[in-house]
Amino acid sequence: AQSVTQLGSHVSVSEGALVLLRCNYSSSVPPYLFWYVQYPNQGLQLLLKYTSAATLVKGINGFEAEFKKSETSFHLTKPSAHMSDAAEYFCAVSDGTGGYNKLIFGAGTRLAVHP
Amino acid sequence: DVKVTQSSRYLVKRTGEKVFLECVQDMDHENMFWYRQDPGLGLRLIYFSYDVKMKEKGDIPEGYSVSREKKERFSLILESASTNQTSMYLCASSFSGQGNEKLFFGSGTQLSVL
Repeated sequence: AQSVTQLGSHVSVSEGALVLLRCNYSSSVPPYLFWYVQYPNQGLQLLLKYTSAATLVKGINGFEAEFKKSETSFHLTKPSAHMSDAAEYFCAVSDGTGGYNKLIFGAGTRLAVHP
Repeated sequence: DVKVTQSSRYLVKRTGEKVFLECVQDMDHENMFWYRQDPGLGLRLIYFSYDVKMKEKGDIPEGYSVSREKKERFSLILESASTNQTSMYLCASSFSGQGNEKLFFGSGTQLSVL
């Protein structure tokens, strides 16, 4: 069965500092991996996704993530945090079965950015 | 702009009531999903549908049912609401594909069962 583990339910960084949000996955087949972001009082929106085309994936708002098969990881990074990055971030995995796009989500990491 | 619209932002119901949560998408998506979101647990899939009148159980279907009579509308039904169903409910939709399609989410319905 597939699963996702996000290390750290809360991460706090200073404005301008590196953002690193950790995600490890478990999958018996080559996975599709996603990062979604949820701003207060909103639904989730896609930041980026890995679909085996390239191991380093660039997303919106300056975020990127690197797929490392040997470490079963898909960590999200941003070189310089902005106050507007404060949100909850979810890592998710799909095995692509049936084309249903059924995602299994991690527990989420809440990012706080302070001045 | 593409939209997934959930009928209520906040809902308060009493134990034992039958509750309907409605979701409408305007993107002609084949797939629709209901998730519940709880602090520390992330999003958990309740049910999904890949076509009109078709439905599949997710990871936590107990106590819920769904209906998809039209392609654009997916309803979640709590047959007899209980306090442990107090949660944020998120609807999502996507095109069919290889399993890597983007999900579009509604803004959520915060349900409180008293």
